[in-house]
Amino acid sequence: KQEVTQIPAALSVPEGENLVLNCSFTDSAIYNLQWFRQDPGKGLTSLLLIQSSQREQTSGRLNASLDKSSGRSTLYIAASQPGDSATYLCAVPHSNYQLIWGAGTKLIIKP
Amino acid sequence: DAGITQSPRHKVTETGTPVTLRCHQTENHRYMYWYRQDPGHGLRLIHYSYGVKDTDKGEVSDGYSVSRSKTEDFLLTLESATSSQTSVYFCAITEVIGANYYGYTFGSGTRLTVV
Repeated sequence: KQEVTQIPAALSVPEGENLVLNCSFTDSAIYNLQWFRQDPGKGLTSLLLIQSSQREQTSGRLNASLDKSSGRSTLYIAASQPGDSATYLCAVPHSNYQLIWGAGTKLIIKP
Repeated sequence: DAGITQSPRHKVTETGTPVTLRCHQTENHRYMYWYRQDPGHGLRLIHYSYGVKDTDKGEVSDGYSVSRSKTEDFLLTLESATSSQTSVYFCAITEVIGANYYGYTFGSGTRLTVV
């Protein structure tokens, strides 16, 4: 059974730092992996979708990598800003494309 | 957003009344999902649909029913609302065409309070 784990559960860093969020999964036979962010009281916004054939995807200051063999994905945020404060979630699909979710990393960027 | 809307955005209802939440999409995606999100529980799947009139249960389906009579609409009904169903409800869509997986897009959510 697929399990998805995110470490750390919470992270607080000063503005301007580069940081890495981690997502691990137990079954390497994944189709893809998707990263989301959720602001307090808001919905989920898709950040990056990495297909199983890809090793990384980039969008602006965000870069997500995927290593299926080690069961890991990382989300790299460059030059963090207070507006990056949110909860970051990773998820992988299984049957009928239902998502298996990590518990999330709550990120706080201090001005 | 990417062509998915939920209505209503907020609702307060009384215990024992039926409630229907609507998810509407303009993307023509086959797959639609209803989730609830509660503090300490993350996102939990209630029901999902993989085509018109094709639906199945998720992990927390008791007390909920769904219908999908056309591609663009997926309705979630609380048959007799209880206080434990106070939650934020999210709808999501996705599509797969051949080897192309489009990823999930979420609606903005419906905040439901049962009093």
